[in-house]
Amino acid sequence: EVQLVESGGGLVQPGRSLRLSCAASGFIFGDYAMHWVRQAPGKGLEWVSGISWNSGNIRYADSVKGRFTISRENTRRSLYLQMDSLGTEDTAMYYCAKAYGSGNLVDALDIWGQGTVVIVSS
Amino acid sequence: DIQMTQSPSSLSASVGDRVTITCQASQDISDYLNWYQQKPGEAPNLLISDASNLQTGVPSRFSGSGSGTDFTFTISSLQPEDVATYYCQQYDNLPLTFGGGTKVEIK
Repeated sequence: EVQLVESGGGLVQPGRSLRLSCAASGFIFGDYAMHWVRQAPGKGLEWVSGISWNSGNIRYADSVKGRFTISRENTRRSLYLQMDSLGTEDTAMYYCAKAYGSGNLVDALDIWGQGTVVIVSS
Repeated sequence: DIQMTQSPSSLSASVGDRVTITCQASQDISDYLNWYQQKPGEAPNLLISDASNLQTGVPSRFSGSGSGTDFTFTISSLQPEDVATYYCQQYDNLPLTFGGGTKVEIK
């Protein structure tokens, strides 16, 4: 079964850091680009960051650039999001998602995890 | 960034009704447009890729059309299990951007 499972979310104070992980199974992880998408409470979907199959192309939303770092370990079938200098505006459900058909960043997102909740509050 | 404008933001329709949602891109995106369904408490689910390509296992009552800047998503006969929020998303360029969503309810 194709599956993505996020972990690492939680309650964190403003200015602190958190590292999210996403474990993949059921497909050849190293063949596909991967993304993080977030959803603030009661709001729509916001793309956060994407990484190509070989980590050669990495991009961020302006809202997180310089604070978040995406990475992957293909041998461990894992995707990560290091989040530093967190602010209350980063409170959201964070989803990892697989690119549909390729290792490139511009694509549909065909497999999504169930998400991990990040709450930034003092 | 490419802005995606979705309308309406919400709608209420009866079971069996035809439901139409529109999505407009701020620039030409060819057919690089996807539609997702997000049921309450669940992750989004890809329904349609490339503007009109129905994903495997998705009921045929769902369809998509359009190209360039104007796109349409249709549910031909609304069912109770279709209660959800629907999002369009462009992948012509980064950043990937989503429409604001359309919440579909049963009247």
